[in-house]
Amino acid sequence: DIVLTQSPLSLSVTPGEPASISCRCSENLLPGKQYNYLDWYLKKPGQPPQILIYLGSIRASGVSDRFSGSGSGTDFTLKISRVEAEDVGVYYCMQVRQTPFTLGQGTKLEIK
Amino acid sequence: QITLKESGPTLVKPTQTLTVTCTFSGFSLNTPGVGVGWFRQPPGKALEWLALIYWHDDKRYSPSLSSRVTIVQDTSKNQVLFTITNADTVDTGTYYCAHFSTTVTTGYFDPWGQGTLVTVSS
Repeated sequence: DIVLTQSPLSLSVTPGEPASISCRCSENLLPGKQYNYLDWYLKKPGQPPQILIYLGSIRASGVSDRFSGSGSGTDFTLKISRVEAEDVGVYYCMQVRQTPFTLGQGTKLEIK
Repeated sequence: QITLKESGPTLVKPTQTLTVTCTFSGFSLNTPGVGVGWFRQPPGKALEWLALIYWHDDKRYSPSLSSRVTIVQDTSKNQVLFTITNADTVDTGTYYCAHFSTTVTTGYFDPWGQGTLVTVSS
């Protein structure tokens, strides 16, 4: 199984400041594939998860352009350019390159 | 518009069989590139992928559960059922189903159902 390790596991950010979350994969997601099948999801309190980024860097429809994804192979990053109160929740990276699909431990974002 | 809704028992006793149902609309599970996945989140813990069924009825499971779980589709009812046999307290959690888009240029779960909380307790 591909293990995903996120860091940090928690973040406390002042509104308007940037935030960054790292996701490291135990295996390279590219070999034999055209794209990095790595997604980012946000689970807000009391809500189901929502897709933010897929294929490592493509923003999903309706997602604010404050969110961006980057990286390739084994190292990926989710960046929020200016954190807002509505961004509170737990962020997960997930690889969908191969089953079993696996997720990171989650990064909890709080507002200072 | 694609929607999914989970349903199932709120309380299950240990060793019983737990079945949660995902009723969906707005898409067909016969469409190439489409799947339905199941996830769960135990209280206070991380989200976990459980199973996936593809449009061509290929089924995949989490290795940690594969001996106890099955996923099936009922195309006549637009439903996907997920069953765990020999339920244990560790199976307690909120169960989510989600639409999976899988093509060369996609690979993501969207949208998700609201989730259904299942407690395994005697």
